[in-house]
Amino acid sequence: EAQVTQNPRYLITVTGKKLTVTCSQNMNHEYMSWYRQDPGLGLRQIYYSMNVEVTDKGDVPEGYKVSRKEKRNFPLILESPSPNQTSLYFCASTRTGTNEKLFFGSGTQLSVL
Amino acid sequence: SQKIEQNSEALNIQEGKTATLTCNYTNYSPAYLQWYRQDPGRGPVFLLLIRENEKEKRKERLKVTFDTTLKQSLFHITASQPADSATYLCALDLLSGNTPLVFGKGTRLSVIA
Repeated sequence: EAQVTQNPRYLITVTGKKLTVTCSQNMNHEYMSWYRQDPGLGLRQIYYSMNVEVTDKGDVPEGYKVSRKEKRNFPLILESPSPNQTSLYFCASTRTGTNEKLFFGSGTQLSVL
Repeated sequence: SQKIEQNSEALNIQEGKTATLTCNYTNYSPAYLQWYRQDPGRGPVFLLLIRENEKEKRKERLKVTFDTTLKQSLFHITASQPADSATYLCALDLLSGNTPLVFGKGTRLSVIA
């Protein structure tokens, strides 16, 4: 089954404790991206990757890192999480190099205390 | 500033009626527009994409129109069912450099039996 898999589904952590949210897709998609979704603000892009070893900033990249060492994986790293990073995070991928027809993961609800 | 608005935060409609959701934008010249469905706690699911040179697109009970003069897209669900209850998001892509996909905040549709 074609899917984007994120882990964990829920995560509670404390300020400053480094964490990684994993994202993997099994569709051989070139393009992957991370979004956060906050009430009243909608979905906002954090980082995206057009292909292996190619990443770039989206709208709200501060406080986040990503890497794309393999085509299927695109982890999101929070080196020093802060409470304002409490949010619902989604990984997405698409076959083309554009934003058409994104496949989204099920989401990771992160709470930073 | 660039802006994308979905007509209302919530819309209630009787089962069997046609639901019409609106997406308006200002200061954009999008190459295409997309509609996604999002259920609570889940990732958005792609529904339809319409390009700037297309007036209308259909998929089963769904229809989307795109008026670049009015800067507006309408999303219709005919013969609505309670299972259509969800939040619907519109998203614009400018295809200009590395501009990320811009999402509206969504309209929460409730179809009442």
